[in-house]
Amino acid sequence: GNSVTQMEGPVTLSEEAFLTINCTYTATGYPSLFWYVQYPGEGLQLLLKATKADDKGSNKGFEATYRKETTSFHLEKGSVQVSDSAVYFCALILTQGGSEKLVFGKGTKLTVNP
Amino acid sequence: DTGVSQNPRHKITKRGQNVTFRCDPISEHNRLYWYRQTLGQGPEFLTYFQNEAQLEKSRLLSDRFSAERPKGSFSTLEIQRTEQGDSAMYLCASSLSGTGTYFGAGTRLSVL
Repeated sequence: GNSVTQMEGPVTLSEEAFLTINCTYTATGYPSLFWYVQYPGEGLQLLLKATKADDKGSNKGFEATYRKETTSFHLEKGSVQVSDSAVYFCALILTQGGSEKLVFGKGTKLTVNP
Repeated sequence: DTGVSQNPRHKITKRGQNVTFRCDPISEHNRLYWYRQTLGQGPEFLTYFQNEAQLEKSRLLSDRFSAERPKGSFSTLEIQRTEQGDSAMYLCASSLSGTGTYFGAGTRLSVL
């Protein structure tokens, strides 16, 4: 089946530390891949995406590269800030019959301490 | 563009009661989705509308759940005879083909 596996949290870092959150996927075909972020009390926000192999998505200092050979889409940031504290979800999209259904990982909670 | 709006934000109900949630998508978006998120899990797909037609329903959507989008604009999700296992965050999302999926802040349901 189609699924997303991401590293379990919680992850606690000090400000300016390097962040990696691992994400691997299983899918039929070649899905588009996404990272969503959920701040406390808010809805999911699209952070970045990649639609084909070797694409790199980037936004707000975060990056992720679509690696078909390892079926991975790891999220990285060189220097985290307290304001990056949130839950991060890796997801893939299945396009079938016009529907764009997202399949999510379980989420990784990040806490950044000053 | 005010984003996807969901009401209420929180709902507390007693087991066995019926509840209804409303979602107002981004105005020009023709696709509307409902997801459910339980604690410590990612959102799970429930159902999908294109305009007013409900085109897909997950096996998670038992017969106690019904969703409508009568005029292709707002949508409602009703849960009849609520159970404690229905306690979750119910998320609505909308999209216009190829432009990305946008989520509302969700309705948190607590069944006592």
